[in-house]
Amino acid sequence: GQNIDQPTEMTATEGAIVQINCTYQTSGFNGLFWYQQHAGEAPTFLSYNVLDGLEEKGRFSSFLSRSKGYSYLLLKELQMKDSASYLCAVSDYKLSFGAGTTVTVRA
Amino acid sequence: KAGVTQTPRYLIKTRGQQVTLSCSPISGHRSVSWYQQTPGQGLQFLFEYFSETQRNKGNFPGRFSGRQFSNSRSEMNVSTLELGDSALYLCASSFREMNTEAFFGQGTRLTVV
Repeated sequence: GQNIDQPTEMTATEGAIVQINCTYQTSGFNGLFWYQQHAGEAPTFLSYNVLDGLEEKGRFSSFLSRSKGYSYLLLKELQMKDSASYLCAVSDYKLSFGAGTTVTVRA
Repeated sequence: KAGVTQTPRYLIKTRGQQVTLSCSPISGHRSVSWYQQTPGQGLQFLFEYFSETQRNKGNFPGRFSGRQFSNSRSEMNVSTLELGDSALYLCASSFREMNTEAFFGQGTRLTVV
């Protein structure tokens, strides 16, 4: 099975940087995903890491260390619209999700 | 390119009834997975279909079932509804089997009363 841990809540100021950590223990691993979910909406894909290292996509970056069972999502230049839940998910034959981290961006 | 379409968006059913939810994946995608999202349990995997075959199944009772048609559209059925089945049901499609980028539909909000 999969055990995926991420913080419940984080608060940051507009324009700042926030790092959301995710640790996992897995019986299988085909990659790690990050999704963003606004309240009442579907999750939207942010990033996918299958190899160790940093993947950068505009204001969002994701890092993976397979040996440590660790990933983080870095959100730079925070905007109010970034207030959402961020879900870490590990893929083996299915996606197993963490409980999500609610990020609140304050003016 | 149209996204993943789920119908209906909202549904209210009575305990003991059954319900069928529909999911149309992105054109060309052959894998459809279903998830249940509740405040207490988060997103939990129900099952995955690929080329009309159920490839994987999560830890849900047999009341939850699904199928996939030749055009990749998928349906999920829940029989003998219980209050605890109230949830957001999400469908995700991907080009290959579930180890690649998955795109989610808007979900069906099911309320059981």
